Amino acid sequence: AQSVTQLGSHVSVSEGALVLLRCNYSSSVPPYLFWYVQYPNQGLQLLLKYTTGATLVKGINGFEAEFKKSETSFHLTKPSAHMSDAAEYFCAVMNYGNNRLAFGKGNQVVVIP
Amino acid sequence: GAGVSQSPSNKVTEKGKDVELRCDPISGHTALYWYRQRLGQGLEFLIYFQGNSAPDKSGLPSDRFSAERTGESVSTLTIQRTQQEDSAVYLCASNNRGEQFFGPGTRLTVL
Repeated sequence: AQSVTQLGSHVSVSEGALVLLRCNYSSSVPPYLFWYVQYPNQGLQLLLKYTTGATLVKGINGFEAEFKKSETSFHLTKPSAHMSDAAEYFCAVMNYGNNRLAFGKGNQVVVIP
Repeated sequence: GAGVSQSPSNKVTEKGKDVELRCDPISGHTALYWYRQRLGQGLEFLIYFQGNSAPDKSGLPSDRFSAERTGESVSTLTIQRTQQEDSAVYLCASNNRGEQFFGPGTRLTVL
């Protein structure tokens, strides 16, 4: 079964600084990988996804993530944090033979002015 | 509307009561999922419907939990004899071409 590890439940970042959220997964077959964002009192919104092809994936709001098979990682980055980036971020993996998503525990991002 | 909708947005109930949570998926999406998000935890898969196939119920935590879906439309998640550990946000998602679109969730509080 696939699983996802996100370390550090709370992440503080200064406004304008790099945002880096780490995600490692385990999967017996090539996975589909996702990052979702959840703003307060809202549902999950897809930030970006990797299925096949280019391993560097660009998403909404200036975020990007790189699939590294050798490291079983899919870390999320944004060069310059904005106050509006304060939210909870979830990494998820789905096997294409199995449509279920397995989620990490999430990172609560706080942006410090 | 254009997105997945869920009702009610909030539900407070007493221990031992039954509750029903509703999900309206995006029209045309054949797959529908229910997840549970407990405080400080990631999302846990509960159940998955795909068209007319038998649902994948492997994530349901106990026989107090059940779900139904009528065709490719509305789904209801029922929790019988609620317990305090059932308190969570219950999220519904519908799927199109491998991407899941989530509703805003129902926050269930069991007193």
